[in-house]
Amino acid sequence: EPEVTQTPSHQVTQMGQEVILRCVPISNHLYFYWYRQILGQKVEFLVSFYNNEISEKSEIFDDQFSVERPDGSNFTLKIRSTKLEDSAMYFCASIEGGKYDEQFFGPGTRLTVL
Amino acid sequence: DAKTTQPPSMDCAEGRAANLPCNHSTISGNEYVYWYRQIHSQGPQYIIHGLKNNETNEMASLIITEDRKSSTLILPHATLRDTAVYYCIVPPGVGAQKLVFGQGTRLTINP
Repeated sequence: EPEVTQTPSHQVTQMGQEVILRCVPISNHLYFYWYRQILGQKVEFLVSFYNNEISEKSEIFDDQFSVERPDGSNFTLKIRSTKLEDSAMYFCASIEGGKYDEQFFGPGTRLTVL
Repeated sequence: DAKTTQPPSMDCAEGRAANLPCNHSTISGNEYVYWYRQIHSQGPQYIIHGLKNNETNEMASLIITEDRKSSTLILPHATLRDTAVYYCIVPPGVGAQKLVFGQGTRLTINP
């Protein structure tokens, strides 16, 4: 069964460093999302992406964040200058074009900022 | 987004049916009810969704009241692997909408 994959599974970085979290959505999917979950808290929407542009972003998704689909398969989330409060699980999700039934989530990347 | 209300926690015995309620009294006519679950710290997993008719798939059944103001997710024969946080979500409108997660219901299946 096709699945969303994310790398790395765990990323440790120093405050102020840049990180790139990578996702490979399911191949025929057209809508892409990033969510995050701070330990013990709710899953929060960050950004949605369609047709090579951001379609919606939350208040959390400030200028420190960016997303990119550099090729036909990868979908990346970049945090330019990490803060301690960016420590969280980051989940990528995707939806098949024209079929909005189900968002497929990846296993997540645990980001730890020291 | 239509607000949803779920009990914070529930227990169920293994092998029994788990019935998880959700209130969504402000739901609009074209808004669907979705259920997802999150097992420990894994990515959320889609379970089922519906508009107004009852729905069933290999994982669960969804019962939506006639006035659509509430719904119940039914896991017919709960197993220990069904222990998870279950989220009832009503995205605005139709199409590829973001999901707004609440606190959900923490379901514990007991042996």
